[in-house]
Formats: sequence, structure tokens, C-alpha cells
Amino acid sequence: AQKVTQAQTEISVVEKEDVTLDCVYETRDTTYYLFWYKQPPSGELVFLIRRNSFDEQNEISGRYSWNFQKSTSSFNFTITASQVVDSAVYFCALSEEGGSQGNLIFGKGTKLSVKP
Amino acid sequence: DTGVSQNPRHKITKRGQNVTFRCDPISEHNRLYWYRQTLGQGPEFLTYFQNEAQLEKSRLLSDRFSAERPKGSFSTLEIQRTEQGDSAMYLCASSLQSQPQHFGDGTRLSIL
Repeated sequence: AQKVTQAQTEISVVEKEDVTLDCVYETRDTTYYLFWYKQPPSGELVFLIRRNSFDEQNEISGRYSWNFQKSTSSFNFTITASQVVDSAVYFCALSEEGGSQGNLIFGKGTKLSVKP
Repeated sequence: DTGVSQNPRHKITKRGQNVTFRCDPISEHNRLYWYRQTLGQGPEFLTYFQNEAQLEKSRLLSDRFSAERPKGSFSTLEIQRTEQGDSAMYLCASSLQSQPQHFGDGTRLSIL
């Protein structure tokens, strides 16, 4: 069965702190994609990143970085020097593109509050 | 490049009524997805179109739900005989082939 677990329901930090959002996934497929989406209070899901299962290289984009480890089935997301505008719900998602049509399986999300 | 557009943004209706939502995907995106999101949960997949063909339906999509994409462009999602449990945010997403999905703002359905 495919499953995405985001164990942290809510996280609160003070501006400029670093914060890591955890994501653990389960899948039987060898070919799959992992995603992170941001959902600000306005409601629209904003795509942040996609990684395929064959690329374990970590990625950095500005203050955002992602750590993909197949050995622990984890795809964690770190925000460095957090800002108030980072406050949102963050979703990790899995797509088994190899076998299905690519519908996303989401975790329950982690609500991040960044206080000034 | 305009984003995914959903209408209406908010729908309030009485239990037992039928409702229809519309989604206009990003132009040239051949794939269109519908998801449902309840409070405190992640989106759950409902159904998926490639062009005008509905290729996959979740078991969450009961007989009261029907989705169409008649010309491979916009899509509609209809819920018949609405129930209290249908209250949720209905999200539409589109993508070009297997590229990442881009989501609309959603339609929030409230059942009185």
C-alpha cells in the first residue's frame, strides 16, 4: 500500500530559525516521484519540488533544501532562516508514475507558524 | 500563462440538492485531476482525465458523483443529492503529461 506520513502536525518557530519538516513514505514501486507542496492561508496548493526515485541527490533552492534518503524512505524539507511568509501548511506527496496515472497521495500536512 | 481556474469559489447548498463545479485547466495541459480536501487533511484523489477520457476513479467517488471533460478542455464535477459528509474543498489540478500538477484555488462546498 502507498502511504505518506507527516508525523509533525504543527510546528511553531521564531523568525530566522531553521526548521525541518519530516516526511516518510511507503511504496512497493521502484519508480516513483516525491513532491512537496505549500498551502498558504489563501488555500491554493503551490508546487515546490519533485524528485524521482532514482535521484537521491539533495537539492537546494534559496532558503529551501530537501534531503531524500531511500534507505529510510524519507524526503525531508528544511527551511533555513525562516520568515513569516513561510507560514503555511506543507504537504508531502507520492506519485507512483511507473504504474499508475500519476495521481498524488498526500500526507496530512504540517502546519508551520513562523512568528516575528 | 494563466493558472488553473475553479468556479465557484464557494458554494452553499441544502442537503439533497445537486451541485456542479467547473475547472478550467492551464491551456495545453492534457491531464486534469479532481481532489477533495477536508479540514486538517491532505487532498484525496477522486478522478483523473487524460484529454477527454476519464481514466481513473477513486472508490471515494460514489455513484452520486460524476465528472466530465467533454472536449478535453474544461471539466465539471457534479454531486447529486448532496449529503453532510460532502462538505469539503474540491480541488482541481492539471498537468502536461507526467509533469508536476498545478492546482487551482478550489471550490469550498458547505452543506446546510
